[in-house]
Amino acid sequence: GAVVSQHPSWVICKSGTSVKIECRSLDFQATTMFWYRQFPKQSLMLMATSNEGSKATYEQGVEKDKFLINHASLTLSTLTVTSAHPEDSSFYICSARGPPFSSYNSPLHFGNGTRLTVT
Amino acid sequence: DQQVKQNSPSLSVQEGRISILNCDYTNSMFDYFLWYKKYPAEGPTFLISISSIKDKNEDGRFTVFLNKSAKHLSLHIVPSQPGDSAVYFCAASARQGGSEKLVFGKGMKLTVNP
Repeated sequence: GAVVSQHPSWVICKSGTSVKIECRSLDFQATTMFWYRQFPKQSLMLMATSNEGSKATYEQGVEKDKFLINHASLTLSTLTVTSAHPEDSSFYICSARGPPFSSYNSPLHFGNGTRLTVT
Repeated sequence: DQQVKQNSPSLSVQEGRISILNCDYTNSMFDYFLWYKKYPAEGPTFLISISSIKDKNEDGRFTVFLNKSAKHLSLHIVPSQPGDSAVYFCAASARQGGSEKLVFGKGMKLTVNP
């Protein structure tokens, strides 16, 4: 089946530093990947849609300069949290749509998420 | 505004009994609904889905029911097994201007006791 790998699974960084999270589709090509964020006991909130070869589409309220998304290949999207602050501490999770790709109702395949803690 | 609501944060059932997980939505544009299951430290995995043109979809022990007039769907698991213990997310999808919107509920923690 379609596998999405996310790395790292957890990271602790100091306030003001930047953190990069990678999301890879291992056995399929993903022209579109989605980045979600989840606070404790809250739902998965879509942050942005990552499009291969073009700019990401950000949801309202998400700072594009703070959460940099790069989708340079059909199997890799990265999310960089720049100048991280403690309020950015959260669970970040990526997903990609599995086959059949032509159907927008194809289920999403999720990575295992990244727990970011900013001290 | 929470467009997809899972009002009960948790549910505990006995092994072998039925588990019923409920989900309500407010946006009438949603036309596809999905359930995802999540274990700790793992990403959600797709479980079952239903299109708005149907009112029931069954896959083994899992059945999803959709009541469009009530904007309500439910996931039935029967018989429940201890391995079903996880957090279950309800999600709803709609097309908007050529793109899609997938909205998740807050999740419900199901515990199946042996």
